[in-house]
Amino acid sequence: SAVISQKPSRDICQRGTSLTIQCQVDSQVTMMFWYRQQPGQSLTLIATANQGSEATYESGFVIDKFPISRPNLTFSTLTVSNMSPEDSSIYLCSVAGQGGIEAFFGQGTRLTVV
Amino acid sequence: QKEVEQNSGPLSVPEGAIASLNCTYSDRGSQSFFWYRQYSGKSPELIMSIYSNGDKEDGRFTAQLNKASQYVSLLIRDSQPSDSATYLCAVKNNNDMRFGAGTRLTVKP
Repeated sequence: SAVISQKPSRDICQRGTSLTIQCQVDSQVTMMFWYRQQPGQSLTLIATANQGSEATYESGFVIDKFPISRPNLTFSTLTVSNMSPEDSSIYLCSVAGQGGIEAFFGQGTRLTVV
Repeated sequence: QKEVEQNSGPLSVPEGAIASLNCTYSDRGSQSFFWYRQYSGKSPELIMSIYSNGDKEDGRFTAQLNKASQYVSLLIRDSQPSDSATYLCAVKNNNDMRFGAGTRLTVKP
């Protein structure tokens, strides 16, 4: 499985500000995925980040709120913009395994917006 | 809406018992099925994957898949307190992976 480093691991932010989360993988991967996990709930896919093209956003998520960068095959960032308390959640980056089937996750970023 | 359903629990079993976790899914085109373990405050960790009907065993874990019934389960034999966690069922169709809300398992010493 890939080694995925995600940072920051946690942050407390003021409403109206933005936070950028970084995800670094130890091998080249075609697709990287960004999930949100709200307290007591399952994982919800925010978007799929492809290198060299615009990210693909799921229903309910928009680029203005969650801009994503994918400058190369080992790195991606997710920005949570103009934060409100409703954005308090765990954000996870994920990549597919070598066979392209399983999903592996970074350590997650626990975001609290006050 | 493609859904993955799990009982939220909590499911409580005594140490040494068999824990049985169940999951149903609505997308008949699903091809790949996974169980993840998530400890509190941690990210999900893949513990089992299964792709064809029947049973797949890995140590104390057995995954069972029945595509006709759209049902996948995870059995944990000889449960240990360290197995206490939330178990997420995930179902994949091509690049679309969906997660259940998870079942919280507590193994009591």
